[in-house]
Amino acid sequence: DAGVIQSPRHEVTEMGQEVTLRCKPISGHNSLFWYRQTMMRGLELLIYFNNNVPIDDSGMPEDRFSAKMPNASFSTLKIQPSEPRDSAVYFCASSLSIVGQPQHFGDGTRLSIL
Amino acid sequence: GESVGLHLPTLSVQEGDNSIINCAYSNSASDYFIWYKQESGKGPQFIIDIRSNMDKRQGQRVTVLLNKTVKHLSLQIAATQPGDSAVYFCAENWSGGYQKVTFGTGTKLQVIP
Repeated sequence: DAGVIQSPRHEVTEMGQEVTLRCKPISGHNSLFWYRQTMMRGLELLIYFNNNVPIDDSGMPEDRFSAKMPNASFSTLKIQPSEPRDSAVYFCASSLSIVGQPQHFGDGTRLSIL
Repeated sequence: GESVGLHLPTLSVQEGDNSIINCAYSNSASDYFIWYKQESGKGPQFIIDIRSNMDKRQGQRVTVLLNKTVKHLSLQIAATQPGDSAVYFCAENWSGGYQKVTFGTGTKLQVIP
């Protein structure tokens, strides 16, 4: 069975550039989560969706970050403009429901902003 | 200045021994708990979960124990293998509303061959 698929796996770009991370959740899952992981702060929840609707974006660090879920099988996380402090591993996860079910994670996008 | 990352507690275990990883959770209303394993370069992988109406649940070589009185969760791994080396996270959730899952900082398990 296909798990959560993220692309790209690695991204290196210069500061000021727009970065778009992509996620395909597990088919049939109606909740989707975006996380950021760094050595300094650990795993941080950025935003989550239920049935394609954003529920809580309080974890999004600033207006440079935005996320969309145009349909049940695709989500994007965009950073514009990017800054070196955005360098991290970004994970997408999906679950059958927003609570009471395990989240299944993709293998992440390792983002480096130079 | 020197950058300091999160200090992950480390558990070193001899191959073949049993491992016990502990976790204290914060929200007394939490009623669903999950353990994840994260290997280097990969995303967290679901291992086992437990709901608050249970105090023990067993999987393949793993057992989760829940003590709601002291808000403590543990993961026991039987006959630890080198492939068990990873960072283990506990997570808690309250299923009564749109509450996000809260992850612990993690414990690094090192298996000594």
